Amino acid sequence: AQSVTQLDSQVPVFEEAPVELRCNYSSSVSVYLFWYVQYPNQGLQLLLKYLSGSTLVKGINGFEAEFNKSQTSFHLRKPSVHISDTAEYFCAVSDQAQAAGNKLTFGGGTRVLVKP
Amino acid sequence: SAVISQKPSRDICQRGTSLTIQCQVDSQVTMMFWYRQQPGQSLTLIATANQGSEATYESGFVIDKFPISRPNLTFSTLTVSNMSPEDSSIYLCSVENQAFFGQGTRLTVV
Repeated sequence: AQSVTQLDSQVPVFEEAPVELRCNYSSSVSVYLFWYVQYPNQGLQLLLKYLSGSTLVKGINGFEAEFNKSQTSFHLRKPSVHISDTAEYFCAVSDQAQAAGNKLTFGGGTRVLVKP
Repeated sequence: SAVISQKPSRDICQRGTSLTIQCQVDSQVTMMFWYRQQPGQSLTLIATANQGSEATYESGFVIDKFPISRPNLTFSTLTVSNMSPEDSSIYLCSVENQAFFGQGTRLTVV
């Protein structure tokens, strides 16, 4: 079984400032890692995923994340945020015994509020 | 990537009634997944729907409350039975190997 902890429930940030959303996971097996964004009253959109290879993963909308196996972390970053980045962000894992994206375990979410 | 469509997108239902949510994918898949997102919460996996066999439910979810059908490789339904206000949630489906979700069904039980 896996668990995912998103260390910050809310992150206020000024427009054009950088943001980092922290995600740590616990698992007895190797995992795939995902970040999703949920805009108000909308569904989930995949931002990026780590399956294998380079530990720095680039996603949509200027986001990137770095997988750190020793620290069991997958933190999400954006160097300069926009008002439109105001949303809820979810980190998720699935174990590598499954195909990527199957039976996801989600963190509690981080609400990002971008201020002008 | 697969295109996943859900119906209805939202509904308001009376307590004690049931609602069936449909999930359609534009390609054939063996496994489909149903998730629940309660208000202000994260997503929790309800069950895995395999074509040709009974759905597999996660801890805390039972077939009597959330019966699932999987009649073919592109379609599944989730029924929320005998609803109470605590069932007010967003219900989402996804498919194997994709990590993508449908737009969800926003259910309000009054």
